[in-house]
Amino acid sequence: GAGVSQSPSNKVTEKGKDVELRCDPISGHTALYWYRQSLGQGLEFLIYFQGNSAPDKSGLPSDRFSAERTGGSVSTLTIQRTQQEDSAVYLCASSLVTGGPNTIYFGEGSWLTVV
Amino acid sequence: AQKITQTQPGMFVQEKEAVTLDCTYDTSDPSYGLFWYKQPSSGEMIFLIYQGSYDQQNATEGRYSLNFQKARKSANLVISASQLGDSAMYFCASGGYSTLTFGKGTMLLVSP
Repeated sequence: GAGVSQSPSNKVTEKGKDVELRCDPISGHTALYWYRQSLGQGLEFLIYFQGNSAPDKSGLPSDRFSAERTGGSVSTLTIQRTQQEDSAVYLCASSLVTGGPNTIYFGEGSWLTVV
Repeated sequence: AQKITQTQPGMFVQEKEAVTLDCTYDTSDPSYGLFWYKQPSSGEMIFLIYQGSYDQQNATEGRYSLNFQKARKSANLVISASQLGDSAMYFCASGGYSTLTFGKGTMLLVSP
């Protein structure tokens, strides 16, 4: 597609339920990123995928959070047993990998509310 | 490791005036990039401008320019001839060869 596509755009879930957020990166982009933005805050790095390399999971806040990327394209971020503090916008981004600093392009985000 | 500091939580500017949004960074990467993104109230993150650490000239993109002072580790964004549509959050970010680290942002309000 033309841009990074995320779904759902909005999700309200009950505390304790599992949620899955989906990201479809820009075609041809081999790097994929998940960030989280809580209300009025900056962006918090969660996880980074690059090609077939092992993902950089250093930003995942707890073992309730996991992500996978199938076939080097679409990624799913899963949050198990959601808590109210998980409420945030989850932003996916993608980029080319050029051997230098790369501009990352964001999707419109998935707004998660845990009630 | 990267660290980005944006010291201005909010800035006000009148339409058609220029405004500078401050950003300082700290990195151990020998080669890195500096980025600015705009986030309007709708929430999407819009890439504005990029500066490579080895670029000799300051980057410019239309009304946006990046005042890069490597020795001071600063990468301020200058917006010339502000427009009402420039009202948004602005995030500075830096990155080496993988992820970007973002500052906490500056809210810019442009008044008529």
